[in-house]
Amino acid sequence: EVQLLESGGGLVQPGGSLRLSCAASGFTFSRYAMIWVRQAPGRGLEWVSLITGGDSSTYYADSMKGRFTISRDNSKNALFLQMNSLRAEDTAVYYCAKASRTIVASDFDYWGQGTLVTVSS
Amino acid sequence: DIVMTQSPDSLAVSLGERATINCKSSRTVLYTSNNKNYLAWYQQKPGQPPKLLISWASTRESGVPDRFSGSGSGTDFTLTISSLQAEDVAVYYCQQYYSTPPEWTFGQGTKVEIK
Repeated sequence: EVQLLESGGGLVQPGGSLRLSCAASGFTFSRYAMIWVRQAPGRGLEWVSLITGGDSSTYYADSMKGRFTISRDNSKNALFLQMNSLRAEDTAVYYCAKASRTIVASDFDYWGQGTLVTVSS
Repeated sequence: DIVMTQSPDSLAVSLGERATINCKSSRTVLYTSNNKNYLAWYQQKPGQPPKLLISWASTRESGVPDRFSGSGSGTDFTLTISSLQAEDVAVYYCQQYYSTPPEWTFGQGTKVEIK
């Protein structure tokens, strides 16, 4: 059974940093692209970042470039999101999700339950 | 960026009636070399993560009831719930996975309620 479990969320002050983790199980983690998607309170889904399964190429939404870093540790079946220079507008539930197929251009068939990040003084 | 625009933002439908949600992309998401539309539909119920309903614009995921169907090509797509059930109350999102480099944008969501 595929499982994704996010952790690392919490309350952080503006300008601060936070590192999110996503523990994956039930599939061959290294073969699949993974993404982070966020959802601000009462708002829609926003794609944050993607990391490929093969060469771990990384891609970011424009508003996250330079502040967020996605990475993965295939030996530990773990996905990460390092978030720096956090702003109030980064407050959201952050989901990790697994690509449906072992190609980059894929939708996402399994999602974690999410971890809440609150940026506030 | 490919911008995804859904309509309406919300709709109320009677139980057993048809619900239709539209999604328009600012550029084509049809890859002509394989004739596939790189468009997915997700359902999100309150307090839950999104659930993948449809891939490639019209391919239902395993276990998804056949009252859900997707159609369209190029820039215009539709998700149809043929006979709305109480458990279908949710927000529905379209997402493109066509753009290069990858920037998988979502529509703003359509909230479906019971009339």
